[in-house]
Amino acid sequence: KAGVTQTPRYLIKTRGQQVTLSCSPISGHRSVSWYQQTPGQGLQFLFEYFSETQRNKGNFPGRFSGRQFSNSRSEMNVSTLELGDSALYLCASSLSPGELFFGEGSRLTVL
Amino acid sequence: AQSVTQPDIHITVSEGASLELRCNYSYGATPYLFWYVQSPGQGLQLLLKYFSGDTLVQGIKGFEAEFKRSQSSFNLRKPSVHWSDAAEYFCVWGPNYGQNFVFGPGTRLSVLP
Repeated sequence: KAGVTQTPRYLIKTRGQQVTLSCSPISGHRSVSWYQQTPGQGLQFLFEYFSETQRNKGNFPGRFSGRQFSNSRSEMNVSTLELGDSALYLCASSLSPGELFFGEGSRLTVL
Repeated sequence: AQSVTQPDIHITVSEGASLELRCNYSYGATPYLFWYVQSPGQGLQLLLKYFSGDTLVQGIKGFEAEFKRSQSSFNLRKPSVHWSDAAEYFCVWGPNYGQNFVFGPGTRLSVLP
């Protein structure tokens, strides 16, 4: 069974640009969430989607957005990139409450 | 606000020695608690989880953790550490609905040969 797949794995952008990251959950998992990992702030919850609806949202500015498609695949978008957005963005999926299965992440560098 | 603390930022142990990583959480309701491990350049892997019932839970790779409500703790233990255990360990609080997990700051484990 394939795990959570995130693309791209690495990307470099400049300030002011926007970026879209993709996540394919484990087959059958309908819940997808996104986390940002930085050395200074650690792992922080961005948002969660279930059946194409945003169920929870963390404390991030509106520049961070996401969506989920009918096949449970999810994308997150960051607009007007800032240097502080450089991070590892992790996607996780779950079948039931409690246990998250994480992808390897997309490492974003903003120059 | 909910929080999870891991007092030790970095721990170094010798291979074969025992290990205990500390974790405290600040919530009132019965939590879901987890330990995840992250190896360099890798995503997060679940080691073990506590939902309810027996307060001593067994996980993968020989790890175990004990939930102590009176101390708001969920410490991770392993009787004999292997060099491959070197990684970052995260204690995590999870809600009983949704995926807005709260991660501790992590403890980096180094293993000496």
